[in-house]
Amino acid sequence: DAGVIQSPRHEVTEMGQEVTLRCKPISGHNSLFWYRQTMMRGLELLIYFNNNVPIDDSGMPEDRFSAKMPNASFSTLKIQPSEPRDSAVYFCASSFPVDTQYFGPGTRLTVL
Amino acid sequence: RKEVEQDPGPFNVPEGATVAFNCTYSNSASQSFFWYRQDCRKEPKLLMSVYSSGNEDGRFTAQLNRASQYISLLIRDSKLSDSATYLCAVGPGTYKYIFGTGTRLKVLA
Repeated sequence: DAGVIQSPRHEVTEMGQEVTLRCKPISGHNSLFWYRQTMMRGLELLIYFNNNVPIDDSGMPEDRFSAKMPNASFSTLKIQPSEPRDSAVYFCASSFPVDTQYFGPGTRLTVL
Repeated sequence: RKEVEQDPGPFNVPEGATVAFNCTYSNSASQSFFWYRQDCRKEPKLLMSVYSSGNEDGRFTAQLNRASQYISLLIRDSKLSDSATYLCAVGPGTYKYIFGTGTRLKVLA
């Protein structure tokens, strides 16, 4: 079975540019999570969707970050404009039921 | 105080040794507990859930101590392939886990 798919795997961009990260959850999973991982702060939940609806976005750091889930098989996380402090690994995870979360391979973002 | 805390390590142990990690949590209402394994530059992968009565999976044993608010992971007969970072995750029983920053384990030949 295919796991969670994320793209791109690596992204290098310049400060001020728009960045879009993509995620395809495991088929049949109804919960989707976006996390950010840094050495200093560890793994932080940014936003949680259930049945394509954003339930909790309290972890989204600021208005520069936005996330959408237009259908059950696709989600995006957008950063506009990007800043160097956004450099991190961004993971998407999905689950059904809620308890067991399966992570994608992550997108390593570097903002210069 | 952080909601979930782990000793960052690294724990350097010889092959065949037994090693244990703890993870303390501050929210006494927490209901869900997990251990994840993360290899370098990879995603976290679920290692095992932690049940109230404790549970074992091969060489791995997880325990929960609600009174002292910590979970533990015991690895027996360590293998080189056990070298990784071990993350604990604690949640209220719904979706919102808080992850620890991880404990690095290095198993030495």
